Amino acid sequence: DVKVTQSSRYLVKRTGEKVFLECVQDMDHENMFWYRQDPGLGLRLIYFSYDVKMKEKGDIPEGYSVSREKKERFSLILESASTNQTSMYLCATRAVYVVGTGDHEQYFGPGTRLTVT
Amino acid sequence: RKEVEQDPGPFNVPEGATVAFNCTYSNSASQSFFWYRQDCRKEPKLLMSVYSSGNEDGRFTAQLNRASQYISLLIRDSKLSDSATYLCVVNGWSGGYNKLIFGAGTRLAVHP
Repeated sequence: DVKVTQSSRYLVKRTGEKVFLECVQDMDHENMFWYRQDPGLGLRLIYFSYDVKMKEKGDIPEGYSVSREKKERFSLILESASTNQTSMYLCATRAVYVVGTGDHEQYFGPGTRLTVT
Repeated sequence: RKEVEQDPGPFNVPEGATVAFNCTYSNSASQSFFWYRQDCRKEPKLLMSVYSSGNEDGRFTAQLNRASQYISLLIRDSKLSDSATYLCVVNGWSGGYNKLIFGAGTRLAVHP
């Protein structure tokens, strides 16, 4: 049974603070993703990583950075939190995609609801 | 134009009803298609994959129309426990990497 955990369910931070959101998975998946989810906008990809120390920008990377020093751990960093970063943040993992063999299920963590005041 | 578009709903239906959701996608090169389910304040979870020939899982039937670039989900004999948001998902390519693209979801509320 895949387990994806996130460091906090709820977090309240002040504008300008540096915020760390951590995600840990126990399935030895190569691929890890960070999304934010906002009403009416759905899931938007912030950053993803296809292997240790690799990172790629998603659709909305501005104001965020990531770190993947170990395969099981993928961290999202808000360098200087702003109120427009108040959102639900979801981490996900997936086994490597191989062309022609079909896609794999993506597993999500429980989410972190971040409020920036 | 969004890459994956869905009617946000809500669809309010009585128990036992049949309800259908559609979703359209813009990238004709997409190869994999899914429906995910998200309960209130929970994470999304895979409901079912969608195959070209159509597929069924109990009360749920998924269809894919590649020519028109739309995907459908049919739920028969709705249960109260089916109340959730249903996310249409397609795969896509960005900078040589494969990723899933999520629709904003269709909310279903089943009432007694």
